[in-house]
Amino acid sequence: DAKTTQPTSMDCAEGRAANLPCNHSTISGNEYVYWYRQIHSQGPQYIIHGLKNNETNEMASLIITEDRKSSTLILPHATLRDTAVYYCIVRLTDSWGKLQFGAGTQVVVTP
Amino acid sequence: DTGVSQNPRHKITKRGQNVTFRCDPISEHNRLYWYRQTLGQGPEFLTYFQNEAQLEKSRLLSDRFSAERPKGSFSTLEIQRTEQGDSAMYLCASSLHSGGPYNEQFFGPGTRLTVL
Repeated sequence: DAKTTQPTSMDCAEGRAANLPCNHSTISGNEYVYWYRQIHSQGPQYIIHGLKNNETNEMASLIITEDRKSSTLILPHATLRDTAVYYCIVRLTDSWGKLQFGAGTQVVVTP
Repeated sequence: DTGVSQNPRHKITKRGQNVTFRCDPISEHNRLYWYRQTLGQGPEFLTYFQNEAQLEKSRLLSDRFSAERPKGSFSTLEIQRTEQGDSAMYLCASSLHSGGPYNEQFFGPGTRLTVL
């Protein structure tokens, strides 16, 4: 599975959009981009995933560049409850499901 | 609550003792995963079950570690002769694999192990 690079930390003001970047320059054509987050003292939680098209769900939007070498997770209106570590993961489509987490991005939403 | 549950939530033990953790996955989920997480790091994969079969073990899973999933339901993770380096959060996750490329993993709250 391709390796990902994320900033160590970022701050975001409550109510504003949070844009979380992820680089995955070695991604191959059959690898998906997944995002999970982990709120303090909880297990990770699935947010969204995509292959090459932009995706949106009730939690976030995922923007994948045309060359697929990077992506951005967008939390449209950050709340204090969005404070968490956000993990960008790249995984083979035919993988049996093992997730390889990096260190992630610590996002702090401030009032 | 029908999510993944783990017991105990916290375990403190002395070096050299054996410990066992339990994970109850979401009902009907056929895949079950164990991860380990140390402070400041993301979770690291340990092992994986498809129903009752253990199909993959990480090199992190030394011979002191053993995991089972009898009858494809709950799973146990045992650590024998614990060492201080085993101190970590042990996370369990489950998913339903139906043949497609995507299977969201649902994580439990974890068991925090402290080895003194």
